[in-house]
Amino acid sequence: NAGVTQTPKFQVLKTGQSMTLQCAQDMNHEYMSWYRQDPGMGLRLIHYSVGAGITDQGEVPNGYNVSRSTTEDFPLRLLSAAPSQTSVYFCATTGGDGYTFGSGTRLTVV
Amino acid sequence: GEDVEQSLFLSVREGDSSVINCTYTDSSSTYLYWYKQEPGAGLQLLTYIFSNMDMKQDQRLTVLLNKKDKHLSLRIADTQTGDSAIYFCALRWEGNTPLVFGKGTRLSVIA
Repeated sequence: NAGVTQTPKFQVLKTGQSMTLQCAQDMNHEYMSWYRQDPGMGLRLIHYSVGAGITDQGEVPNGYNVSRSTTEDFPLRLLSAAPSQTSVYFCATTGGDGYTFGSGTRLTVV
Repeated sequence: GEDVEQSLFLSVREGDSSVINCTYTDSSSTYLYWYKQEPGAGLQLLTYIFSNMDMKQDQRLTVLLNKKDKHLSLRIADTQTGDSAIYFCALRWEGNTPLVFGKGTRLSVIA
Protein backbone atom coordinates (compact mmCIF):
# COMPACT_ATOMS: atom_id res chain seq x y z
CA ASN A 1 0.00 0.00 0.00
CA ALA A 2 1.18 3.48 -0.82
CA GLY A 3 2.07 5.57 2.16
CA VAL A 4 4.67 6.73 4.64
CA THR A 5 6.78 4.26 6.59
CA GLN A 6 8.59 5.24 9.77
CA THR A 7 11.12 3.14 11.61
CA PRO A 8 11.64 2.31 14.38
CA LYS A 9 8.25 2.51 16.13
CA PHE A 10 9.83 2.73 19.58
CA GLN A 11 13.31 3.68 20.77
CA VAL A 12 15.00 4.32 24.10
CA LEU A 13 18.26 6.29 24.05
CA LYS A 14 20.70 7.36 26.69
CA THR A 15 21.58 11.03 26.94
CA GLY A 16 24.34 11.84 24.46
CA GLN A 17 23.69 8.95 22.12
CA SER A 18 22.98 9.53 18.47
CA MET A 19 20.42 7.90 16.22
CA THR A 20 18.55 8.30 12.95
CA LEU A 21 14.80 8.11 12.57
CA GLN A 22 13.90 6.77 9.16
CA CYS A 23 11.07 7.96 6.93
CA ALA A 24 10.27 6.56 3.51
CA GLN A 25 7.40 7.33 1.16
CA ASP A 26 6.34 5.59 -2.03
CA MET A 27 3.93 8.29 -3.21
CA ASN A 28 6.54 10.12 -5.34
CA HIS A 29 5.88 13.36 -3.45
CA GLU A 30 8.40 16.16 -3.46
CA TYR A 31 7.43 17.58 -0.08
CA MET A 32 8.34 15.81 3.16
CA SER A 33 8.47 17.03 6.74
CA TRP A 34 9.16 16.02 10.32
CA TYR A 35 7.03 16.98 13.33
CA ARG A 36 7.31 16.28 17.00
CA GLN A 37 4.27 15.87 19.22
CA ASP A 38 4.35 16.65 22.91
CA PRO A 39 1.40 16.60 25.34
CA GLY A 40 -0.55 19.85 25.21
CA MET A 41 1.71 21.25 22.48
CA GLY A 42 0.16 19.87 19.31
CA LEU A 43 2.54 19.09 16.46
CA ARG A 44 5.53 21.33 15.88
CA LEU A 45 7.54 21.37 12.68
CA ILE A 46 11.20 20.38 12.98
CA HIS A 47 12.49 20.36 9.39
CA TYR A 48 11.00 20.06 5.95
CA SER A 49 12.08 19.45 2.37
CA VAL A 50 10.51 20.56 -0.90
CA GLY A 51 12.59 18.16 -2.99
CA ALA A 52 15.79 16.14 -3.18
CA GLY A 53 18.76 18.22 -2.12
CA ILE A 54 16.62 20.94 -0.50
CA THR A 55 15.88 21.20 3.22
CA ASP A 56 14.76 23.98 5.51
CA GLN A 57 14.22 24.57 9.21
CA GLY A 58 10.86 24.58 10.91
CA GLU A 59 9.78 25.89 14.29
CA VAL A 60 11.98 23.66 16.50
CA PRO A 61 15.09 22.60 14.51
CA ASN A 62 17.75 22.72 17.24
CA GLY A 63 19.33 19.35 18.00
CA TYR A 64 18.16 17.77 14.74
CA ASN A 65 19.72 17.36 11.30
CA VAL A 66 18.15 16.24 8.05
CA SER A 67 19.21 15.48 4.52
CA ARG A 68 17.29 14.59 1.36
CA SER A 69 19.37 12.63 -1.11
CA THR A 70 16.39 10.88 -2.74
CA THR A 71 12.73 11.67 -3.27
CA GLU A 72 11.72 8.64 -1.21
CA ASP A 73 13.73 9.10 1.98
CA PHE A 74 13.95 11.85 4.58
CA PRO A 75 15.91 10.72 7.65
CA LEU A 76 16.00 12.73 10.87
CA ARG A 77 19.22 12.62 12.88
CA LEU A 78 19.72 13.29 16.55
CA LEU A 79 23.44 13.94 17.02
CA SER A 80 23.49 13.99 20.83
CA ALA A 81 20.16 13.04 22.37
CA ALA A 82 18.79 15.03 25.29
CA PRO A 83 15.84 14.26 27.61
CA SER A 84 14.03 17.27 26.09
CA GLN A 85 13.89 15.31 22.83
CA THR A 86 11.64 12.68 24.39
CA SER A 87 8.61 12.88 22.15
CA VAL A 88 6.60 11.22 19.43
CA TYR A 89 7.95 11.99 15.97
CA PHE A 90 5.84 12.03 12.83
CA CYS A 91 6.94 12.18 9.24
CA ALA A 92 4.52 13.57 6.65
CA THR A 93 4.35 14.06 2.91
CA THR A 94 2.08 15.87 0.49
CA GLY A 95 1.70 16.03 -3.25
CA GLY A 96 -0.84 18.84 -3.26
CA ASP A 97 -3.96 18.88 -1.16
CA GLY A 98 -3.86 16.46 1.74
CA TYR A 99 -0.94 15.39 3.91
CA THR A 100 -0.20 11.75 4.67
CA PHE A 101 1.41 10.95 8.01
CA GLY A 102 3.46 8.01 9.11
CA SER A 103 2.45 6.05 12.20
CA GLY A 104 5.09 7.74 14.35
CA THR A 105 8.24 6.93 16.33
CA ARG A 106 7.99 7.11 20.11
CA LEU A 107 11.41 8.17 21.42
CA THR A 108 12.44 8.22 25.07
CA VAL A 109 15.76 9.74 26.13
CA VAL A 110 16.88 8.78 29.61
CA GLY B 1 4.03 33.27 12.09
CA GLU B 2 0.63 31.69 12.03
CA ASP B 3 -1.07 31.14 15.37
CA VAL B 4 -3.80 28.50 15.60
CA GLU B 5 -5.95 28.23 18.72
CA GLN B 6 -8.27 25.47 19.88
CA SER B 7 -9.94 24.73 23.17
CA LEU B 8 -8.28 21.74 24.81
CA PHE B 9 -11.27 19.68 25.91
CA LEU B 10 -14.85 18.94 24.85
CA SER B 11 -17.25 16.47 26.40
CA VAL B 12 -20.54 15.43 24.77
CA ARG B 13 -23.17 12.73 25.23
CA GLU B 14 -23.51 9.95 22.71
CA GLY B 15 -25.99 10.91 20.00
CA ASP B 16 -25.53 14.65 20.48
CA SER B 17 -23.70 16.89 18.03
CA SER B 18 -20.13 17.98 18.74
CA VAL B 19 -18.72 21.30 17.60
CA ILE B 20 -14.96 21.79 17.72
CA ASN B 21 -13.73 25.31 17.12
CA CYS B 22 -10.49 26.75 15.78
CA THR B 23 -9.33 30.34 15.35
CA TYR B 24 -6.30 31.51 13.41
CA THR B 25 -4.40 34.70 12.76
CA ASP B 26 -3.20 34.58 9.14
CA SER B 27 -6.02 35.31 6.72
CA SER B 28 -3.92 34.21 3.74
CA SER B 29 -4.13 30.54 4.72
CA THR B 30 -5.32 28.62 1.69
CA TYR B 31 -6.04 25.12 2.96
CA LEU B 32 -7.66 24.38 6.31
CA TYR B 33 -7.68 20.83 7.65
CA TRP B 34 -9.16 18.71 10.38
CA TYR B 35 -7.20 15.68 11.57
CA LYS B 36 -8.23 12.98 14.05
CA GLN B 37 -5.81 11.16 16.33
CA GLU B 38 -6.90 8.13 18.31
CA PRO B 39 -4.83 7.03 21.34
CA GLY B 40 -1.42 5.71 20.35
CA ALA B 41 -2.10 6.23 16.65
CA GLY B 42 -1.01 8.58 13.90
CA LEU B 43 -3.01 11.38 12.33
CA GLN B 44 -5.97 10.62 10.12
CA LEU B 45 -7.14 13.27 7.68
CA LEU B 46 -10.86 13.81 8.24
CA THR B 47 -11.61 16.60 5.82
CA TYR B 48 -10.29 19.86 4.50
CA ILE B 49 -11.67 23.05 3.01
CA PHE B 50 -10.25 25.63 0.65
CA SER B 51 -10.25 29.24 1.78
CA ASN B 52 -12.65 30.19 -1.03
CA MET B 53 -15.34 27.94 0.45
CA ASP B 54 -17.71 28.62 3.35
CA MET B 55 -18.91 25.14 4.10
CA LYS B 56 -18.16 21.51 3.31
CA GLN B 57 -20.25 18.52 4.31
CA ASP B 58 -19.14 14.90 4.30
CA GLN B 59 -21.57 12.42 5.87
CA ARG B 60 -21.64 13.23 9.61
CA LEU B 61 -19.00 15.94 9.32
CA THR B 62 -19.68 19.60 8.52
CA VAL B 63 -16.90 22.15 8.24
CA LEU B 64 -17.75 25.84 8.47
CA LEU B 65 -15.31 28.61 7.61
CA ASN B 66 -15.84 32.24 8.60
CA LYS B 67 -12.99 34.09 6.90
CA LYS B 68 -13.97 37.46 8.32
CA ASP B 69 -13.65 36.19 11.89
CA LYS B 70 -10.83 33.72 11.01
CA HIS B 71 -12.86 30.94 12.56
CA LEU B 72 -13.07 27.30 11.49
CA SER B 73 -15.37 24.73 13.04
CA LEU B 74 -15.97 21.00 12.75
CA ARG B 75 -19.42 19.66 13.57
CA ILE B 76 -19.87 15.95 14.14
CA ALA B 77 -23.51 14.87 13.98
CA ASP B 78 -24.79 11.94 16.06
CA THR B 79 -21.51 11.65 17.96
CA GLN B 80 -20.50 8.07 18.77
CA THR B 81 -18.07 6.63 21.33
CA GLY B 82 -15.75 5.82 18.42
CA ASP B 83 -15.43 9.55 17.80
CA SER B 84 -13.52 9.96 21.07
CA ALA B 85 -10.10 11.24 20.03
CA ILE B 86 -7.97 14.36 19.72
CA TYR B 87 -8.97 16.63 16.83
CA PHE B 88 -6.40 18.94 15.29
CA CYS B 89 -7.03 22.02 13.21
CA ALA B 90 -4.21 22.71 10.74
CA LEU B 91 -3.60 25.33 8.09
CA ARG B 92 -1.19 26.03 5.27
CA TRP B 93 -0.62 28.38 2.37
CA GLU B 94 -0.53 27.78 -1.38
CA GLY B 95 2.03 25.32 -2.75
CA ASN B 96 4.07 22.75 -0.84
CA THR B 97 4.20 24.67 2.42
CA PRO B 98 4.31 23.41 6.00
CA LEU B 99 1.19 22.59 7.98
CA VAL B 100 0.72 24.67 11.10
CA PHE B 101 -1.23 22.87 13.82
CA GLY B 102 -3.36 23.89 16.73
CA LYS B 103 -2.73 22.14 20.04
CA GLY B 104 -5.69 19.82 19.56
CA THR B 105 -9.09 19.35 21.19
CA ARG B 106 -9.68 16.16 23.16
CA LEU B 107 -13.23 15.00 22.52
CA SER B 108 -14.74 12.69 25.13
CA VAL B 109 -18.02 10.99 24.29
CA ILE B 110 -20.10 9.86 27.24
CA ALA B 111 -22.35 6.85 26.70
